[in-house]
Amino acid sequence: EIVLTQSPVTLSLSPGDTATLSCRASQSVSHNFLAWYQQKPGQAPRLLIHHASRRATDIPDRFSGSGSGTDFTLTISRVEAEDFAVYYCQQSGDSPPGYTFGQGTKLEIK
Amino acid sequence: EVQLVESGGALVQPGTSLRLSCAASGFTFDDYAMHWVRQVPGKGLEWVSGLSWNSGTIGYADSVKGRFTISRDNAKKSVFLQMNSLRAEDTALYYCTKDVSGFVGNYYFDSWGQGTLVTVSS
Repeated sequence: EIVLTQSPVTLSLSPGDTATLSCRASQSVSHNFLAWYQQKPGQAPRLLIHHASRRATDIPDRFSGSGSGTDFTLTISRVEAEDFAVYYCQQSGDSPPGYTFGQGTKLEIK
Repeated sequence: EVQLVESGGALVQPGTSLRLSCAASGFTFDDYAMHWVRQVPGKGLEWVSGLSWNSGTIGYADSVKGRFTISRDNAKKSVFLQMNSLRAEDTALYYCTKDVSGFVGNYYFDSWGQGTLVTVSS
């Protein structure tokens, strides 16, 4: 099973800053099937990025994903007040079928 | 608009059973794989189980294998999670999620319900 490790655990920034969140996999992620989700308090997660770098529908272009193999990054440019939340990365595999999430990075207001 | 509405969560005693349901609307249900993902309040996300569009492929997390059973009824646009031999560590908010493909094991979740809370305690 692939283990995803996110860093940092908490990121304290001011609005307008750039956030850089890391997700490292214990083995290479198949076909770069790596996704990022945003979760705000009391809400379900929302898909932000899939296939490592493709923005999901209606996601602002200040969110971008990059990386391949075992190292992936979510970058949020010009962080806005509504972006303060917890972010999770997720990968999937088919032998056997399974999905794993990172432990999350909390983006908080500095 | 995609809607996923979970139900069936409750406070139950260890060792007992519970069945969760998820009613789907707003998309062609029998084209997509469906999953259950859980979250202990204040903690991270854990994939529990998923099944393909035709129930031909089913997967479970090791933590629930042999105790939980996922199923779907395409005619009723619903997916279910039968949970047996419940343990305290199964306490969580259970989300129903929609896959972006009809198959299990290669993609991600593009829609989520609001969750149903399962509490296992004596």
